[in-house]
Amino acid sequence: EVQLVESGGGLVQPGRSLKLSCAASGFTFSSFPMAWVRQAPKKGLEWVASISSGGGGTYYPDSVKGRFTISRDNAKSTLYLQMDSLRSEDTASYYCARHEPQLTHFDYWGQGVMVTVSS
Amino acid sequence: DIQMTQSPASLSASLEEIVTITCQASQDIGNYLSWYQQKLGKSPQLLIHSATSLADGVPSRFSGSRSGTQYSLKINRLQVEDTGIYYCLQHYSAPWTFGGGTKLELK
Repeated sequence: EVQLVESGGGLVQPGRSLKLSCAASGFTFSSFPMAWVRQAPKKGLEWVASISSGGGGTYYPDSVKGRFTISRDNAKSTLYLQMDSLRSEDTASYYCARHEPQLTHFDYWGQGVMVTVSS
Repeated sequence: DIQMTQSPASLSASLEEIVTITCQASQDIGNYLSWYQQKLGKSPQLLIHSATSLADGVPSRFSGSRSGTQYSLKINRLQVEDTGIYYCLQHYSAPWTFGGGTKLELK
């Protein structure tokens, strides 16, 4: 059974940093691109970052480019999201998601972790 | 960036009714379109990928179709467990973009 379990969320002040983790199991982690998707309270879904299966390719929307860094450790089957220079508008639930192998749709999602940016 | 205009924003329907939700892409995205269901307090779940392909384990009352740059999700014979918010996603080119969502309730 595919499982994605996020951790590392919490309350952080504006301008500070936070690192999220996503522990994967039930599939060959190194074979799949992975992503982070977020959802602000009572809002819709927003794609945040994606990474290729080997880690050599990373992709971001302009809203987080230069502030967020996605990475992975295939030996540990773990995905990461380093979030720097956090803003109040980054407050959201962050979901780890598995891409279909050709980096298209998201076929499995984690349960999400809440990040609150506030002073 | 490719914009996905989803309609309606909310919908109230009766049990066993047929429901249709649409997404209009701002440019050609081929079949790079998927649909997700999000129940209250839960993470999204894949329903349809490649515009028309049913994801594993999804009931056959769900179906997807495409006409040019307009994509539709159809639910035949609405059930109680189908309430929630539905999103489309274009994965033709980055940044991948979601529709604004459709909140589906039972009448």
